[in-house]
Amino acid sequence: DGGITQSPKYLFRKEGQNVTLSCEQNLNHDAMYWYRQDPGQGLRLIYYSQIVNDFQKGDIAEGYSVSREKKESFPLTVTSAQKNPTAFYLCASRWLEKLFFGSGTQLSVL
Amino acid sequence: ELKVEQNPLFLSMQEGKNYTIYCNYSTTSDRLYWYRQDPGKSLESLFVLLSNGAVKQEGRLMASLDTKARLSTLHITAAVHDLSATYFCAVRARNRDDKIIFGKGTRLHILP
Repeated sequence: DGGITQSPKYLFRKEGQNVTLSCEQNLNHDAMYWYRQDPGQGLRLIYYSQIVNDFQKGDIAEGYSVSREKKESFPLTVTSAQKNPTAFYLCASRWLEKLFFGSGTQLSVL
Repeated sequence: ELKVEQNPLFLSMQEGKNYTIYCNYSTTSDRLYWYRQDPGKSLESLFVLLSNGAVKQEGRLMASLDTKARLSTLHITAAVHDLSATYFCAVRARNRDDKIIFGKGTRLHILP
């Protein structure tokens, strides 16, 4: 089946720890995105990538890092510098004018 | 900087009534999207609007785009309970940038 797979579905982070959220797609899409969703805040753009080995900061990139070494993979690392990481994280890829979303990862702080 | 504003942010309405959600954006664009999200779920694409005057309809939902006013609307006709969800608009700026910015969403609650 083609689609976007995010894992894990739930993730817990200890203080001072870095954690990595996985996003994999087999749709052969070039553009990929990471969004953070907080209640009442909508979706806020963290990072996006238009092509392999290239990515740009979104509106709230501080405390996060990404890589795009392969077309199908766009992992997001939440670093210890992100002081308020609890949120629902959504990954998407884009084909022409349509975004395809993964099922999301809920990150919580222990 | 591209900004997207939706209003209202929360809407409670009776079944059978009509209502409109508004989406304003700050920079030139002719690429606007509407999504639906159910609680605890991911986003589902509803409409893609790609030109001034574009209008699309699916069931009780109709979306339109006015690029000169930088405004899109999502109109709900004769609402039914199944349409209860959060609706987001999103905009892609008209340049080579792939950035897509979302509004805060409109939480729609339809009362039986």
